[in-house]
Amino acid sequence: DTAVSQTPKYLVTQMGNDKSIKCEQNLGHDTMYWYKQDSKKFLKIMFSYNNKELIINETVPNRFSPKSPDKAHLNLHINSLELGDSAVYFCASEPQGRSYEQYFGPGTRLTVT
Amino acid sequence: GENVEQHPSTLSVQEGDSAVIKCTYSDSASNYFPWYKQELGKGPQLIIDIRSNVGEKKDQRIAVTLNKTAKHFSLHITETQPEDSAVYFCAASIRGSWGKLQFGAGTQVVVTP
Repeated sequence: DTAVSQTPKYLVTQMGNDKSIKCEQNLGHDTMYWYKQDSKKFLKIMFSYNNKELIINETVPNRFSPKSPDKAHLNLHINSLELGDSAVYFCASEPQGRSYEQYFGPGTRLTVT
Repeated sequence: GENVEQHPSTLSVQEGDSAVIKCTYSDSASNYFPWYKQELGKGPQLIIDIRSNVGEKKDQRIAVTLNKTAKHFSLHITETQPEDSAVYFCAASIRGSWGKLQFGAGTQVVVTP
């Protein structure tokens, strides 16, 4: 009965590869996010979707492409991976029009070698 | 845009003592200030939040204060316990901005028995 789940939890890959991270929430929330947490623990928003519609698109390289097949899922596809993409990626969800309480997933640790 | 500064970056306290973490924000339009706790290997979890029409809020051993004039807010943890050891993040956002949270850099709290 996990609220926000991500797969995989760990991802090790080589430079130049393409990879995807999946996120699912069973809370019935309308809004979902992707955050990147760097090695210094800094959390930065990447994307936000509301009811499958892109709302926030921060200055993220276009190698990163989010996709929301339905409002319970928000996946992140990364092309041509670079060393600097190594980080922990968190998915989060939030009920629209509520208290802005964001529920985070457990994170996916991406290591690019 | 909003900029949130958080201090200290690390905080060591003896079990039973109090811990205080301070944050300042730059955008006077910000009106929602949550605090998140991130335990090792997990995603951030909301522990308390405060809105701009409230000066103080308490929940058991944790409390948050807000000074809108000075644009700073603080987290207070009393009677600290080893399970309080974690990274704590403050954040700020503006209602109507689709929940876009600007996070502080985090404070590593270590509670020693």
